[in-house]
Amino acid sequence: SQKIEQNSEALNIQEGKTATLTCNYTNYSPAYLQWYRQDPGRGPVFLLLIRENEKEKRKERLKVTFDTTLKQSLFHITASQPADSATYLCAPGKNYGGSQGNLIFGKGTKLSVKP
Amino acid sequence: NAGVTQTPKFQVLKTGQSMTLQCAQDMNHEYMSWYRQDPGMGLRLIHYSVGAGITDQGEVPNGYNVSRSTTEDFPLRLLSAAPSQTSVYFCASGRPGTNAFFGQGTRLTVV
Repeated sequence: SQKIEQNSEALNIQEGKTATLTCNYTNYSPAYLQWYRQDPGRGPVFLLLIRENEKEKRKERLKVTFDTTLKQSLFHITASQPADSATYLCAPGKNYGGSQGNLIFGKGTKLSVKP
Repeated sequence: NAGVTQTPKFQVLKTGQSMTLQCAQDMNHEYMSWYRQDPGMGLRLIHYSVGAGITDQGEVPNGYNVSRSTTEDFPLRLLSAAPSQTSVYFCASGRPGTNAFFGQGTRLTVV
């Protein structure tokens, strides 16, 4: 069956450092992968989408890579800030061009950035 | 635009009661989805719809019914609530080729 693993349940880093979160998937070949941020008591918020033919995508301090050979995506936050503390979810998608409503999510990594 | 609106925000049910969780979106999105989120389990897909009149099951559909009579609304029905359905429920919507937009969630407790 399809499986999505995010590297750890929790990641603690110091302010100013780069946070790197990992998303591994098995038993399927997604055409794209999305990353979301979720704050306590709120719904997930979309951050970035990367397609299978893209190696890397950037948005301000965020960078996502997608390695279809390793079946892995890395999500980087550079110059991290305490405001970046949240749970980050990855969601590989099977339908090319975007979700058709049946996105499957990893369990998430809770990032804590200490001042 | 209000985005994705879920009601109610909180609900307590007794075992065996029925209720409907409401979800509405005003962005003219084609697809809508329902997820539940439990500690240690992440977001799990219950049901989804790619357009009015079309619905399909996700990972955990048992105990839940949906219908999609309009583009805007996608209600989730619990016919006979069970304690195992205690969870936080999220509705999402989007267009093919774009990301999902989530509501703020409904926290349901079944006693």
